[in-house]
This record gives sequence, C-alpha cells and structure tokens, in this order.
Amino acid sequence: AQSVSQHNHHVILSEAASLELGCNYSYGGTVNLFWYVQYPGQHLQLLLKYFSGDPLVKGIKGFEAEFIKSKFSFNLRKPSVQWSDTAEYFCAVNPSGGGADGLTFGKGTHLIIQP
Amino acid sequence: KAGVTQTPRYLIKTRGQQVTLSCSPISGHRSVSWYQQTPGQGLQFLFEYFSETQRNKGNFPGRFSGRQFSNSRSEMNVSTLELGDSALYLCASSRTGDQPQHFGDGTRLSIL
Repeated sequence: AQSVSQHNHHVILSEAASLELGCNYSYGGTVNLFWYVQYPGQHLQLLLKYFSGDPLVKGIKGFEAEFIKSKFSFNLRKPSVQWSDTAEYFCAVNPSGGGADGLTFGKGTHLIIQP
Repeated sequence: KAGVTQTPRYLIKTRGQQVTLSCSPISGHRSVSWYQQTPGQGLQFLFEYFSETQRNKGNFPGRFSGRQFSNSRSEMNVSTLELGDSALYLCASSRTGDQPQHFGDGTRLSIL
C-alpha cells in the first residue's frame, strides 16, 4: 500500500515570499501524483497533476511541482505567494494504470499568507 | 458545467442509527469515489464505483457500504453509527477513474 508524507503541517509566509511544500510518497511501482487545494469554505480543487513525461509540471495560479523519482518526491512551489493562496494543500498519489485505486492523501499543509 | 453535488450538506444522527448520503457526479463521469475526512486521520479512501460495480475498497469496516445507479449517481450508507464516524464525507468523480478526480463540497455528519 502506498503512503504520502507532507513535511510541514503549518506554514506562515508573508506576501511575495517564495513557497515550497514538501511531499514524499512510498510505493513500489509507478504512480500518478497530484496536488489539491482547499480554500476556506470551498471544495477540494486540483492544482496540478503528474502522470508521465516532463517531471516539471505547471498548474493553475502560478503553482508548479517537480517529480524527482529517485527521491520519491513531488514538491509544490510558487515563486511569489499572494494573500489569496491561504488554504489547505494536499499531496495525493495513486498507482498509475490502476483506475480503481483511490487516492492516498497526505495529512495536508495549512498555509497562511500574511498581508 | 455542474460540479459534483452531494446531499445533504449537514446531518446529525445518534449512535446506532444508520445514514445514507447521496452523490451526483459531473455529467459524463462514470467513476465515483468516496472519502472520509477527519482532523485526526485526514482524507481516507472508502470505495470507488464504476458502472454500478465496486472496484476497490479502502480499509473501513463493513458498516460502510455503497452503491451506484445506472445514471452514475452514488449513495453511501453507514449502519450502526458510532461517535467516531463523525466526519466530512467527500464524493469525487472522474470519467473512468484514471483521470483526476473532481470533488464535491461534502456532507458533514455529526454523531451525538
């Protein structure tokens, strides 16, 4: 079974600071990787995904993530955060090619951006 | 395009009762997955349905069950409710299960 670890449970940054949220997974095979975001009072939304190909993926709202296979990592980055990025961020994984397998989520990182 | 719709939004039940939650997926999506979200355990996969068949199940007791109808709508049932079942229950849909899942707003279940 796979597992996902997010290193930081709470992160506080000032506007315009750079962001990097860590995510490591444990699984013996190939995986699909996702970052989801949950803004206050809203449902989970997909930020970006990696299935195959270029390990640097770009998502919505200026976010990007890099898949490093040797490190089993999929860290989320944004060069300059905004107050509106305050939200809960979840890294998730499922085995690739196995459509029936549900997503395994990390515990989430609560990001607070101070104006 | 309408998103994933879950009803009801809030439910209050007492221990020992049973409850049924409903999920209408995005039009054209045939895969529906259910998740439980709690502060302690985070988001945990319950089960996934595709074309009215359960394809996979997470590590939850048999009190948690579900079904999917021919129009892809899905229901989740929890019997003999326990205090620990208090959680936000999320439904997610995708076209076949391989694509990224789209989540609903959830049903918040409180057990008294």
